[in-house]
Amino acid sequence: AQKITQTQPGMFVQEKEAVTLDCTYDTSDPSYGLFWYKQPSSGEMIFLIYQGSYDQQNATEGRYSLNFQKARKSANLVISASQLGDSAMYFCAIAPQGAQKLVFGQGTRLTINP
Amino acid sequence: DSGVTQTPKHLITATGQRVTLRCSPRSGDLSVYWYQQSLDQGLQFLIQYYNGEERAKGNILERFSAQQFPDLHSELNLSSLELGDSALYFCASSVGTTHAGNTIYFGEGSWLTVV
Repeated sequence: AQKITQTQPGMFVQEKEAVTLDCTYDTSDPSYGLFWYKQPSSGEMIFLIYQGSYDQQNATEGRYSLNFQKARKSANLVISASQLGDSAMYFCAIAPQGAQKLVFGQGTRLTINP
Repeated sequence: DSGVTQTPKHLITATGQRVTLRCSPRSGDLSVYWYQQSLDQGLQFLIQYYNGEERAKGNILERFSAQQFPDLHSELNLSSLELGDSALYFCASSVGTTHAGNTIYFGEGSWLTVV
């Protein structure tokens, strides 16, 4: 079975600061993918970034980067130069190789203060 | 815009009723997934279809069923509705059958309220 743990239920950050959202995972599968999604108050689920377990480099997508530490089973999301529009719920998820479903964590509510 | 289209966006219905949620995947995506998001259970995988065939089943109740049509759109049918079925139902799509580097894109969701 797979499990995602997001230990920060809520975070408050000042605009323009960088923020790190924590995600640890547990899986016995040798190959898997890690995903981060953003859910604003409107409810939609927006894909942010993907990291494969065998990828040599940390994934980056614009202001988003993933700090992937395989030995520690962590996949933290880093948002640089935070903006007010970054205020949302953020979910980390895992999908093992050969499995079709995403297993989500409980999410972290990020609030960006002006 | 993820390219995944879900209708309706909001739905209010009474207990015991039946509803159908519809999903059109991104162009070129063959897999469709259904997820349920509720306050107490979080995000739960329900079911996956690939090119018309059921591929994986999660925590889907027997009162719920789904199908994927030849044009690849999918429908999730919820029957004998209970108050606890109130949730945000997401459809997602991807190119292949597993994550294997495939990005999984979600629609905007269908808010279901059972009264």
